[in-house]
Amino acid sequence: QKEVEQNSGPLSVPEGAIASLNCTYSDRGSQSFFWYRQYSGKSPELIMFIYSNGDKEDGRFTAQLNKASQYVSLLIRDSQPSDSATYLCAVNGGSARQLTFGSGTQLTVLP
Amino acid sequence: GAGVSQSPSNKVTEKGKDVELRCDPISGHTALYWYRQSLGQGLEFLIYFQGNSAPDKSGLPSDRFSAERTGGSVSTLTIQRTQQEDSAVYLCASSLAVGEHQPQHFGDGTRLSIL
Repeated sequence: QKEVEQNSGPLSVPEGAIASLNCTYSDRGSQSFFWYRQYSGKSPELIMFIYSNGDKEDGRFTAQLNKASQYVSLLIRDSQPSDSATYLCAVNGGSARQLTFGSGTQLTVLP
Repeated sequence: GAGVSQSPSNKVTEKGKDVELRCDPISGHTALYWYRQSLGQGLEFLIYFQGNSAPDKSGLPSDRFSAERTGGSVSTLTIQRTQQEDSAVYLCASSLAVGEHQPQHFGDGTRLSIL
């Protein structure tokens, strides 16, 4: 049974702070990792993906992957109120072709 | 269109009726996926298509659920004899190809309510 675990939150950070979102996964064969942002009542929007160990930066977002620890994280620098959403971690790989999603972390950025 | 298009956006129907949900993937995307998201829950995989073939139907919750894809493009998810537990948002995603490093892009979903 593939599992992807996230802290459900809610996570609150003040505007301008760094928000840190964490995700662990159970399948060591997993090869690719995705972060989606989902606003209330909307569909998931892809914001980052990472395939190799280490850090990947895109604007204010940094994804970090540690396959040995089966851990992936998302850092949001200079958090803005518009970043308030649920962040979904998704994992693909092994024999499966579909994404396995975590239950999401609800982030609130306080003005 | 530029993105994944789903219709209808909302569907309310009575228990026991059949429903059809439609997904039009991003042009050129050969892989298509169906997920559902119940209130306050994560996304649950239902089925995926590689071209017109569905190699993995393991996520379909019961034999009341079926899906097809024709012409390598539009897909239809059909739920027969709907039950109240079928109420959820049904999300379709597409990717350029099937593969581990292929990001999936989602449509806006169909919100299905069974009375």
